[in-house]
Amino acid sequence: AQSVTQLGSHVSVSEGALVLLRCNYSSSVPPYLFWYVQYPNQGLQLLLKYTSAATLVKGINGFEAEFKKSETSFHLTKPSAHMSDAAEYFCAVSDFRETSGSRLTFGEGTQLTVNP
Amino acid sequence: KAGVTQTPRYLIKTRGQQVTLSCSPISGHRSVSWYQQTPGQGLQFLFEYFSETQRNKGNFPGRFSGRQFSNSRSEMNVSTLELGDSALYLCASSLDGSSFYEQFFGPGTRLTVL
Repeated sequence: AQSVTQLGSHVSVSEGALVLLRCNYSSSVPPYLFWYVQYPNQGLQLLLKYTSAATLVKGINGFEAEFKKSETSFHLTKPSAHMSDAAEYFCAVSDFRETSGSRLTFGEGTQLTVNP
Repeated sequence: KAGVTQTPRYLIKTRGQQVTLSCSPISGHRSVSWYQQTPGQGLQFLFEYFSETQRNKGNFPGRFSGRQFSNSRSEMNVSTLELGDSALYLCASSLDGSSFYEQFFGPGTRLTVL
């Protein structure tokens, strides 16, 4: 079974500082990996996804993530935090089979706080 | 293009009742997935439908069921509600449910069971 682990349920950074949210995955097959963001009282919005095309993936709002197979990691970074980045972030792995469809398995989530 | 819509947005029920939640996917999307989000268990997969067929099911009791109509709209039903069913229920749609295509999430239905 596939799984993801997010290290740190809460991360706090100052505005303008580097954002680093950690995600490690476990998968028996080459994984599809995703980062989603959730703002209060809203659904999930895709930030970026890894589908084996390139190990460094650029997403929306200045976020990027690097797939490292040797470390089974897919950490999310942003060079300079903005107040509007405060939200909860979820790492997810997809398990797709043509006969059984797909499911996303999510990490526990990381609440990002940005301090002025 | 309109996003994924879910109705109702908020719902309050009492234990033992049943509830039906609705999800309208993005036009052209044929796959609809449902997820339950709670503070204690996080985001958990309920089931996925494609072309009116349930292809995948998560580890939930039989009280949780769903269906998909020919226009790809989907409903999920929870019978004999328990306090622990209080959660945000999220629906997501994608073109075909494969990992390659993004799953677009709706705003969710917040269910409170009293």
